[in-house]
Amino acid sequence: GENVEQHPSTLSVQEGDSAVIKCTYSDSASNYFPWYKQELGKGPQLIIDIRSNVGEKKDQRIAVTLNKTAKHFSLHITETQPEDSAVYFCAASSPNFGNEKLTFGTGTRLTIIP
Amino acid sequence: EPEVTQTPSHQVTQMGQEVILRCVPISNHLYFYWYRQILGQKVEFLVSFYNNEISEKSEIFDDQFSVERPDGSNFTLKIRSTKLEDSAMYFCASSEARGTGGYTFGSGTRLTVV
Repeated sequence: GENVEQHPSTLSVQEGDSAVIKCTYSDSASNYFPWYKQELGKGPQLIIDIRSNVGEKKDQRIAVTLNKTAKHFSLHITETQPEDSAVYFCAASSPNFGNEKLTFGTGTRLTIIP
Repeated sequence: EPEVTQTPSHQVTQMGQEVILRCVPISNHLYFYWYRQILGQKVEFLVSFYNNEISEKSEIFDDQFSVERPDGSNFTLKIRSTKLEDSAMYFCASSEARGTGGYTFGSGTRLTVV
């Protein structure tokens, strides 16, 4: 089955600087890669996603890049703000499971230092 | 914005007791899911449900677990005889279609088995 590795597990960044979180996946058939933000006491919230037919996607301060050959994808947050502090999860899904099942990474606790 | 609603937010139960976790998915969504997150660990897939039947399940989802959509709005997860290791946050999610991702997660039910 799919295995998703995520690092770093914790990341502290000065407000205004950029943050990068990286994930690798094992199933070459995986074709959908979402990123979720989880705040304390809440469920994961989708912040951006990318499909395997594109290499990069951007939404304001957030961008995701995908390298299918190397089987890794990354989340980039620019001009970080205190409200970006949260746990971030990457995930992957494969058409081998009808793209119904998400396999999550272990999470990155991002702390923005004012 | 439409939400997935989960009740209760916190459930404490004695080992060996049955528990039912409840979810109200987004009304026009057709695919329903349960995930769990043991404290400090990754979010893990349990089961997906479509057209009144299970479409995928993980090895975690054994005979102690069952899901049901008893009416047009609720989606439930039942654990027949709870074990200490069932203590976790349980997230319900729904999506409009298969393969498009775009899950919406609920805020979760924290299950504590004592």
